[in-house]
Amino acid sequence: GAVVSQHPSWVICKSGTSVKIECRSLDFQATTMFWYRQFPKQSLMLMATSNEGSKATYEQGVEKDKFLINHASLTLSTLTVTSAHPEDSSFYICSASARENYGYTFGSGTRLTVV
Amino acid sequence: EDQVTQSPEALRLQEGESSSLNCSYTVSGLRGLFWYRQDPGKGPEFLFTLYSAGEEKEKERLKATLTKKESFLHITAPKPEDSATYLCAVQAFLSSGSARQLTFGSGTQLTVLP
Repeated sequence: GAVVSQHPSWVICKSGTSVKIECRSLDFQATTMFWYRQFPKQSLMLMATSNEGSKATYEQGVEKDKFLINHASLTLSTLTVTSAHPEDSSFYICSASARENYGYTFGSGTRLTVV
Repeated sequence: EDQVTQSPEALRLQEGESSSLNCSYTVSGLRGLFWYRQDPGKGPEFLFTLYSAGEEKEKERLKATLTKKESFLHITAPKPEDSATYLCAVQAFLSSGSARQLTFGSGTQLTVLP
């Protein structure tokens, strides 16, 4: 079955630094990848959608300069949280789809803690 | 705007005590309704996709059903390992015929006691 690998699974960083999270589709080519944010006991909130080779589409209220998304290949998307602050602490999850209207496979998530 | 409401927020069952989780939705042109299981600190794990009212799908102790307004996830004789948060999500068709992204409910946290 489709497998999505997300790395790292957890990271602690100092306020003001940047953190990069990787999302890889291991056994399929992901034309579209999605990045979500999840607060404790809350639902997944879509942050942005990225298509390979083009700029990401951000949801309303998500700062594109703070959350940099790169989808340079069909198997890799990265989310960089720039100048992280404690309020950016959250659980970030990626998902990938092989093509539109196809199924979605989720990564295992990254717990970001900014101190 | 697509909306998904799940109830109850939390449910505690004794092992073997069957129950149902509810997912009510509002969407213009449903393409699919998805059920996921999420364990603490993990990403969602796919369970089912339902596409049309009247459709049912089963997997071990779980059975998902769909009407035009809601979906139920029935859990028969649950075991402690079924403890998790169960998420419901809808996907709508756009006017262009392509699909919108998933809209998730806030989940039901299920605890099955031995």
